[in-house]
Amino acid sequence: DSGVTQTPKHLITATGQRVTLRCSPRSGDLSVYWYQQSLDQGLQFLIQYYNGEERAKGNILERFSAQQFPDLHSELNLSSLELGDSALYFCASSGGTGKDLRPHEQYFGPGTRLTVT
Amino acid sequence: AQKVTQAQTEISVVEKEDVTLDCVYETRDTTYYLFWYKQPPSGELVFLIRRNSFDEQNEISGRYSWNFQKSTSSFNFTITASQVVDSAVYFCALKEGGNMLTFGGGTRLMVKP
Repeated sequence: DSGVTQTPKHLITATGQRVTLRCSPRSGDLSVYWYQQSLDQGLQFLIQYYNGEERAKGNILERFSAQQFPDLHSELNLSSLELGDSALYFCASSGGTGKDLRPHEQYFGPGTRLTVT
Repeated sequence: AQKVTQAQTEISVVEKEDVTLDCVYETRDTTYYLFWYKQPPSGELVFLIRRNSFDEQNEISGRYSWNFQKSTSSFNFTITASQVVDSAVYFCALKEGGNMLTFGGGTRLMVKP
């Protein structure tokens, strides 16, 4: 168990709809990352937040957005869904304080499997 | 050009065989980090190891060992005496100046009893 939680585990929705994926980082971690894993694109970085602020952007579509809240949990919003958005969405966290002296490891949650029909 | 290349898409071995998973990376940074993650059939990504670019010392952890060679830009992963539980997809990843990970395409390892 990495300590990163993601909900829901599975999500089935129709094209054109909007969904929200939720992530709670490991206790004390300030950074949250979102990745998409699809059959054709592999594992791709989408976006990073650090302590509530957007830190880096990868191959994230304009239809997708994210935010990190004061309690450090993060949400990834996917709108106007298309069939090609079907994928496994991972959240990862890193940058813990205190006893964790290894800021570079990213610990991944179990993922949310999104199916768009 | 791909920054992280895992040329072996699928490897099949029989239990107790040794197996090496290849990873070749590309970067212009002098400071970077390399990782291996395991994705078992259940789907989660499990962190295995991190290696810093300034530390070429090889590492062994039980049946797992990693060979980092800057001269060939490779970071290979060897499983000794493979077991059925090692069956998974293994990803090599690179972290450069930013914080995001760039993953290779993964190698699916199947260990047959």
